[in-house]
Parts: sequence; C-alpha cells; structure tokens
Amino acid sequence: QSALTQPRSVSGSPGQSVTISCTGTSSDVGAYNYVSWYQHHPGKAPKLMIYDVSQRPSGVPDRFSGSKSGDTASLTISGLQVEDEADYYCCSYAGMYGYVFGSETRVTVL
Amino acid sequence: QVQLQESGPGLVKPSGTLTLTCAVSGDSISSSNWWSWVRQPPGKGLEWIGEIYYRGLINYNPSLKSRVTISTDKSKNEFSLTVNSVTAADTAVYRCASGDFYQWPYWGQGTLVTVSS
Repeated sequence: QSALTQPRSVSGSPGQSVTISCTGTSSDVGAYNYVSWYQHHPGKAPKLMIYDVSQRPSGVPDRFSGSKSGDTASLTISGLQVEDEADYYCCSYAGMYGYVFGSETRVTVL
Repeated sequence: QVQLQESGPGLVKPSGTLTLTCAVSGDSISSSNWWSWVRQPPGKGLEWIGEIYYRGLINYNPSLKSRVTISTDKSKNEFSLTVNSVTAADTAVYRCASGDFYQWPYWGQGTLVTVSS
C-alpha cells in the first residue's frame, strides 16, 4: 500500500487560508470515511486535528476543517495563525492494509 | 488525560530483536481502546505498524506482519512491540498511540531506535 500524496509544503500569511490535499486511491481515501489529520511540532507528540474526514475533537479551533471528494481529502486552515506552523499528516483507514499515512506537509506562516 | 510513554533500547544489532514498551497512565489498558504502534524512519513519513484492541483483537501492517508482535500486560498497564530480524531499514522513531476506531488522540513522545552493529 503506497503512502498518500500530500504537497511537500504550503505557506500563507497570518489570517489567510491554506488547504492541504491528501490523495489516495479507491482502496483507502476513496473507500472509507475514516480520514484523520495530525499536527506535529518537531520534538512533540502528534496532535489529532480532524477525524472521520471532517470531525473536530474538542479543543481544536474551528479554523481547522476537513473534507473529502473522491480519492482526495483536504485540510483547510482558515485564519492562519503563527502557532499553526507545523508538519501535518493525513491518515486513512485502508481495510485489510490497516492504515496508510500521507507524506507530510510543512505549513509555513510567512 | 491519557499519557503514553515509550521505553526500550536505543540501539539494536542487525538480525536482532527490537522490543519496546508503552506505559499507559490515565486509562486502563483494558478499556475499550485500540493501542497502536507507528514509526517514522529518518527523513521519511509515518508508517503504521499494528494495533491491539482490549478484547485481544490484533491487526498488523501486512508488510511487517511476519516479523512483528504486539501484546498487552494488564498487570503493568502497558503494551509492547517486538520486531524480529531487524535491519537498518527498521531504524526509526517509534511511537505508541491510542484511541477509538480510526483515530488516535493520544500519542507518546517517541523513541529513536537505531539498528547498527
């Protein structure tokens, strides 16, 4: 099972919106509504930001939102803030293959 | 608040066995959660290794299944990962994680394991 495809980096100014895509196949992203997104600051534990494509855990700001169309899921950060600068990973359930992660996207706040 | 902490040797010899433990606090290993292992080789992305459910259900990444074992120790409230016949390709930061179906809200800090003679 191949890794999901994410852009290597995205950037934006404070207050702007950025969207990270996560492209899989009809065996993972396209097959299940079980896509999650994780924020990772180096040296710290990853943080769950979105689960089940678009659900936000309590405590996650509502400027983070998730969606899916076909084999591609997306994470949008609206109203970008300095503390949002981090690495982001998507993850999809893949049936008999378990789980597959994306290739990591570095979000830079200009 | 659930807290997870990995422990184990930082250096393992090629062809040897890697064993890591994840100590759980703030929850019982017998609760209705999935207890998982994920790794990240240097300069590469995350790779799911496998998971164990409190009822004893276990799932492994098919690419690692022949070399990996995940188990729980209820008396110590921890779960473990064993990888046999390790090579340099198994060098990675290993993290334990836990949560409900299809999501992991709780993660350990991670521990670097290097495979080298």
